[in-house]
Amino acid sequence: GDSVTQMEGPVTLSEEAFLTINCTYTATGYPSLFWYVQYPGEGLQLLLKATKADDKGSNKGFEATYRKETTSFHLEKGSVQVSDSAVYFCALSVVTGGSYIPTFGRGTSLIVHP
Amino acid sequence: ETGVTQTPRHLVMGMTNKKSLKCEQHLGHNAMYWYKQSAKKPLELMFVYSLEERVENNSVPSRFSPECPNSSHLFLHLHTLQPEDSALYLCASSHQDRDSALYGYTFGSGTRLTVV
Repeated sequence: GDSVTQMEGPVTLSEEAFLTINCTYTATGYPSLFWYVQYPGEGLQLLLKATKADDKGSNKGFEATYRKETTSFHLEKGSVQVSDSAVYFCALSVVTGGSYIPTFGRGTSLIVHP
Repeated sequence: ETGVTQTPRHLVMGMTNKKSLKCEQHLGHNAMYWYKQSAKKPLELMFVYSLEERVENNSVPSRFSPECPNSSHLFLHLHTLQPEDSALYLCASSHQDRDSALYGYTFGSGTRLTVV
């Protein structure tokens, strides 16, 4: 079946540090890949997505590149802020041949200190 | 405001109570979902409603009962819950067609449920 693996964290960084949250996946078909963010007390929000190999999704300074050869979609940001403290979820949806319901990772908590 | 509104935001109920959670979307989406989010556990898909089908997670206890009267509204009826049902209940919606996997979900802010 389809699965998404990401580090659980927490990842603790100082403000302005570089962020990487790793995400790898297995999928039975050709997936679209997503990152969601959940701020404290809120639901999940779609942060960025990529729908085919070598696509780069970006939003709010965050980026992730769809790497088919390594089945990865790592989230990066060059300079994190305290306001980026949240839980980040990697997810996939299969374009063909599989269920349209996305598969989520377990989430990675990010804590950014001033 | 995400376009998906959940009420109430917080709910405390006794184990013998009956209550309902409400979700509403006006994004023109044709599929709606209930998820359960518990501490230290993965997101759990409970129910899916779309034009094509209703999908249930067979591990969801019968004390949770969904209702979807139209494509804009979704309810989760609760009765005789247990303390372990305390969690954040998230509603989501999406557009379902043959390119469904290209779109993401829009989530509500959730209902924080505490069963005492």
